[in-house]
Amino acid sequence: AQKITQTQPGMFVQEKEAVTLDCTYDTSDQSYGLFWYKQPSSGEMIFLIYQGSYDEQNATEGRYSLNFQKARKSANLVISASQLGDSAMYFCAMGSGNQAGTALIFGKGTTLSVSS
Amino acid sequence: GAVVSQHPSWVICKSGTSVKIECRSLDFQATTMFWYRQFPKQSLMLMATSNEGSKATYEQGVEKDKFLINHASLTLSTLTVTSAHPEDSSFYICSASFPGRAKNIQYFGAGTRLSVL
Repeated sequence: AQKITQTQPGMFVQEKEAVTLDCTYDTSDQSYGLFWYKQPSSGEMIFLIYQGSYDEQNATEGRYSLNFQKARKSANLVISASQLGDSAMYFCAMGSGNQAGTALIFGKGTTLSVSS
Repeated sequence: GAVVSQHPSWVICKSGTSVKIECRSLDFQATTMFWYRQFPKQSLMLMATSNEGSKATYEQGVEKDKFLINHASLTLSTLTVTSAHPEDSSFYICSASFPGRAKNIQYFGAGTRLSVL
């Protein structure tokens, strides 16, 4: 069975600092995708970044980067130069394979608070 | 802009009534959509997989007679909470991905907050 673990219920960071949100996963699949989503207080789920299990390079999207360590089964999200608008809940998720049409499983989430 | 639209965003209803939530894919056809449920400060839990033209697949523990799913067209899936009770109060959110793409990126609707009095 697949499992996503996020061990940090809450993280606090000051503006302009970098922050790492931890995520470990467990799966017996060879092909899978790892995702990070941001959920502000409004509730919408905003896609941030994707990493495929066969991708050799760590994914980056603007201020977001994914530190993918396959042997350790970790997929940490790094947010550089934090902004006040980054305050939200962040979910790590995993999907089977790389094909569209499969559901994601989510971790419990990490609440990030950015202060000025 | 949004690629998945969900309506309504908020609904308050009396116990015993039924509530319908719509999820639409915008500018693409989604043969599969997913319905999740989220309690406050908790994670998203998959309720069911909605398949166009066929019956939905429900996760273990989800009552299919309670949560009716209809995926009648390639762009619309509906979730009906029948005979709602206060314990059904929750945040319901749907998702879909672009078919045929290698990355299974799920795009979510804005969610529906259901409050049953």
